[in-house]
Amino acid sequence: QKEVEQDPGPLSVPEGAIVSLNCTYSNSAFQYFMWYRQYSRKGPELLMYTYSSGNKEDGRFTAQVDKSSKYISLFIRDSQPSDSATYLCAMTPHSGTYKYIFGTGTRLKVLA
Amino acid sequence: DAGVIQSPRHEVTEMGQEVTLRCKPISGHDYLFWYRQTMMRGLELLIYFNNNVPIDDSGMPEDRFSAKMPNASFSTLKIQPSEPRDSAVYFCASSTTGGRTEAFFGQGTRLTVV
Repeated sequence: QKEVEQDPGPLSVPEGAIVSLNCTYSNSAFQYFMWYRQYSRKGPELLMYTYSSGNKEDGRFTAQVDKSSKYISLFIRDSQPSDSATYLCAMTPHSGTYKYIFGTGTRLKVLA
Repeated sequence: DAGVIQSPRHEVTEMGQEVTLRCKPISGHDYLFWYRQTMMRGLELLIYFNNNVPIDDSGMPEDRFSAKMPNASFSTLKIQPSEPRDSAVYFCASSTTGGRTEAFFGQGTRLTVV
């Protein structure tokens, strides 16, 4: 079993829809959680960064962490065709180590 | 700033050949990371440097892989000899805080070993 599981998709939604992307993990020591967005043939870019449990909002994006369920989510409101990309979750036990464990990514398509 | 620059963008080589991937981090960044991305395994950290010194190379798959950072503006990842299972996209990333907040990724090198 992988430490971080992520549905590869593809996930297709109409423009304006609310998108929910999720990751589950097995290591209860993970404390720092990130979401990266990767466009085709580009490098990943950081979208959201959260520590421990709770929610964090940035514009149309909300990151949610539920440590009791070992489950993290990224919500995208009012999705746009420009949001079409692969979304990768990443996590690490604690600061001072940079061995972030990445999910394999979920491919999202937002249809105009 | 031009961002993290990797070369070449694409590399096709025959099994058994030596492959060298190159990376120029963002000026002023003191951490440099090498990642490998495949469909099956996702993004894996191979090695990272702090101030040109290798800190953790436990992700390097085997002795065929080696990485160097001779100065703050240049790093190489070498595979010798290359094998078909090394085919992947290799990313270099750099940061100033060790990646805890944000690591900036390059465009990647797509390696195909035939």
